[in-house]
Amino acid sequence: KQEVTQIPAALSVPEGENLVLNCSFTDSAIYNLQWFRQDPGKGLTSLLLIQSSQREQTSGRLNASLDKSSGRSTLYIAASQPGDSATYLCADYGGATNKLIFGTGTLLAVQP
Amino acid sequence: KAGVTQTPRYLIKTRGQQVTLSCSPISGHRSVSWYQQTPGQGLQFLFEYFSETQRNKGNFPGRFSGRQFSNSRSEMNVSTLELGDSALYLCASSSLGLAGILQETQYFGPGTRLLVL
Repeated sequence: KQEVTQIPAALSVPEGENLVLNCSFTDSAIYNLQWFRQDPGKGLTSLLLIQSSQREQTSGRLNASLDKSSGRSTLYIAASQPGDSATYLCADYGGATNKLIFGTGTLLAVQP
Repeated sequence: KAGVTQTPRYLIKTRGQQVTLSCSPISGHRSVSWYQQTPGQGLQFLFEYFSETQRNKGNFPGRFSGRQFSNSRSEMNVSTLELGDSALYLCASSSLGLAGILQETQYFGPGTRLLVL
C-alpha cells in the first residue's frame, strides 16, 4: 500500500533561515515524486517534480532530492521569506497504481 | 493558456441532498483527477478519468461518482450527502506520456468548497 509521511507537521522559522522539509514513502515502484505548495483555502501549486531516475531538481531557492532506496525525499528552501509561508505537500506517483498519493503536509510559517 | 477551472467555488447543501461539481481542464489535457481534502484525512484521491473512461478509483463509497465528456470536461456527483462530505474538492488535469504514465505535474484548480449542514 502506498503511504506518504511528512515530518514535521508544522515548522516556524525566522526570515532568512535555510530549512529542510522531509517526506517518506513506502512505494518501491515509485515513478516520480512531486512537491506542491498550498496557500490557505486555495488549490495546489506545483513546485518540483523528480522522476525516479533523477536524484534532485532545483528551481530558484528550492531544491528537492529523491532517494528511492531509502524511500525519502527532502525539499530544501534557501533564505526563507515570509512569502514562503504555506503548507507544503509531497506526493508519490506510483507507476504500478497510476495514482498520486499525498502526504499530510508541513505547515510552514516564516516570521519576518 | 487558461488554467483548470472549477464551478461552483462554494456550495452549501443539507444532508440527504445530492451535488454535482464541474471541472474544466487545461486545453489539450485529457486526464482529469479528483481529490477530497479535509482537515482530518488530508488530500485523498477520488478517481481519475482519461478519454471519457474511469482509469482509477480511490477508496470512497459508491455515493461518489464521476464522468468525463468528449471535450475532457469532468463532473463529479455525490449523492445522499453526509456531514462528513464537507470538504474542499480539488480537480487536477494533466497530459499523459507513453503507456498512460503521468510524466509531468498535475495542474490543480482552485477547488470547490462544499459545506453539508
